[in-house]
Amino acid sequence: DTGVSQNPRHKITKRGQNVTFRCDPISEHNRLYWYRQTLGQGPEFLTYFQNEAQLEKSRLLSDRFSAERPKGSFSTLEIQRTEQGDSAMYLCASSFGGAPDTQYFGPGTRLTVL
Amino acid sequence: GNSVTQMEGPVTLSEEAFLTINCTYTATGYPSLFWYVQYPGEGLQLLLKATKADDKGSNKGFEATYRKETTSFHLEKGSVQVSDSAVYFCALSDGGQGAQKLVFGQGTRLTINP
Repeated sequence: DTGVSQNPRHKITKRGQNVTFRCDPISEHNRLYWYRQTLGQGPEFLTYFQNEAQLEKSRLLSDRFSAERPKGSFSTLEIQRTEQGDSAMYLCASSFGGAPDTQYFGPGTRLTVL
Repeated sequence: GNSVTQMEGPVTLSEEAFLTINCTYTATGYPSLFWYVQYPGEGLQLLLKATKADDKGSNKGFEATYRKETTSFHLEKGSVQVSDSAVYFCALSDGGQGAQKLVFGQGTRLTINP
């Protein structure tokens, strides 16, 4: 049983560049979540997919951020025109649903914007 | 809105000491409560959970009881080991059957000395 995987694990980019991260959830998990974690803080919710539908987005997700989940499998999170404030760990989690909806996290992608 | 407050770290203990990490929450309705652990260089792992008042979650010698009257979910372990050194996050979700974004505390770093 493979867990949630994320690629790349680390990304260093210059301010103003675009970046894209990928998340592969646990197979057959129909829910997929993105969170952002800054140093010394707990993760904060960004957005959520039920299959291929993006059903909720946080106010944290500015218009420079876009997420997709084509075909309800893997998901991508793109940040356009990166800013230094975007530097953080981006976490993906997946779940099968149910109550409670137990989420399983990937290792994260650490983004550094220079 | 919903929020979680954890005791501030870092916490340093000797091996075999008793551990308590305090967690209190503010929420409407009846949230589910979780403890996640993040070992160095790894992703978040679910440690234990509880879904209703007076439920006790337990795993790997750790326990936490859902106390609605005090809105708390304190994490305890009777005898800690060096391998328990990690960052611990308390979290809540809205519960129910739908999308359940997690709201996390800021995390508590635990170091166990031999």
